[in-house]
Amino acid sequence: NAGVTQTPKFRVLKTGQSMTLLCAQDMNHEYMYWYRQDPGMGLRLIHYSVGEGTTAKGEVPDGYNVSRLKKQNFLLGLESAAPSQTSVYFCASSYPTPKRGSSYEQYFGPGTRLTVT
Amino acid sequence: ELKVEQNPLFLSMQEGKNYTIYCNYSTTSDRLYWYRQDPGKSLESLFVLLSNGAVKQEGRLMASLDTKARLSTLHITAAVHDLSATYFCAGQIQGAQKLVFGQGTRLTINP
Repeated sequence: NAGVTQTPKFRVLKTGQSMTLLCAQDMNHEYMYWYRQDPGMGLRLIHYSVGEGTTAKGEVPDGYNVSRLKKQNFLLGLESAAPSQTSVYFCASSYPTPKRGSSYEQYFGPGTRLTVT
Repeated sequence: ELKVEQNPLFLSMQEGKNYTIYCNYSTTSDRLYWYRQDPGKSLESLFVLLSNGAVKQEGRLMASLDTKARLSTLHITAAVHDLSATYFCAGQIQGAQKLVFGQGTRLTINP
């Protein structure tokens, strides 16, 4: 069981470039999430998905798009990168988690460190 | 809208001491989660608190939930250096599939 994996681990972009971050999970989870983590800001939810083919906006969705074409994958796209998008991006998945009852305990990937210059 | 606030945000303590991290939330939250993050690493789930009065313990860490006070606590007993990390609490609104995270508490334990 690999859990939640993210590709790539590091990336440097120039302003205006585009890229896609890939998240994959092998736990058969229904829900998947993309967060960004900035110093002193905790984790902020960008977009999330409650099932294959569905997506929803989180707290800070502007400048990002997502797709969930397969249950195990959740893609985060930046169409035109800006320096304000320099951050560490975490993907997470949850539900069901039988060992925890009916909770939505989230399992996190290792993160992608993105720098936009 | 659920808001989650932790305090303190920074905590420096000596080995062997006890301390508590507080997590307050603004609206009804049936479930409360605690995570640990080491520098440069991902988040690791520590505790899931599912009901009022829930108490979970693992090693030197104990978490509790008081839904009436809208408060969860993470208590550290006889701290050791290995517990140095950033700790996050997260609340969940009933019926919502997403969590709201606090700002995190950066804990440093000095020998």
